[in-house]
Amino acid sequence: AQSVAQPEDQVNVAEGNPLTVKCTYSVSGNPYLFWYVQYPNRGLQFLLKYITGDNLVKGSYGFEAEFNKSQTSFHLKKPSALVSDSALYFCAVRDLYNTDKLIFGTGTRLQVFP
Amino acid sequence: GAVVSQHPSRVICKSGTSVKIECRSLDFQATTMFWYRQFPKQSLMLMATSNEGSKATYEQGVEKDKFLINHASLTLSTLTVTSAHPEDSSFYICSASPVSSNTEAFFGQGTRLTVV
Repeated sequence: AQSVAQPEDQVNVAEGNPLTVKCTYSVSGNPYLFWYVQYPNRGLQFLLKYITGDNLVKGSYGFEAEFNKSQTSFHLKKPSALVSDSALYFCAVRDLYNTDKLIFGTGTRLQVFP
Repeated sequence: GAVVSQHPSRVICKSGTSVKIECRSLDFQATTMFWYRQFPKQSLMLMATSNEGSKATYEQGVEKDKFLINHASLTLSTLTVTSAHPEDSSFYICSASPVSSNTEAFFGQGTRLTVV
């Protein structure tokens, strides 16, 4: 079965510092991986995806993620955090064997302190 | 980017009544849409896959008679919570993707349902 894991419930970082939100995956075949962000009482906004190609994927709002096949990871990163980045972040994998549905991790709350 | 519109964003209803939530893909056609439920401070739980022109596929443990899904056109899916109870209070989110596994899913704004 396809799955993703986000080992951290919350990540705290000072504004201006680099941030990392972790995600590991378990899939059959090639993974289609996604990162989404959710602000309070809102739907999810797409940040970036990895389908194929370069392992370093750049996305919206200065975020990037590195696909690491040997470590089965897809960590989300940003060189310099902003207070406005504070939100809930979800890693997801597309289940290509079952209606292409997205399977989400448990989410990581990012808190950026001034 | 593609837009998915969900309506209403908030609804309060009395116990025993039914509530309909709409999910529209505004600039693309979607043969499949997904309905999720999210509890406070938790992840999204997939409830069902809505299939245009056919019956929805429900996840294990989701009551299909309680959560009625209709996908009558390529741009509209509806979720009706029937005979709502306070425990149905939650945040409901829909998503849709243009046809292709390479594309990301787009999400509606979500609906906050409160049953009193």
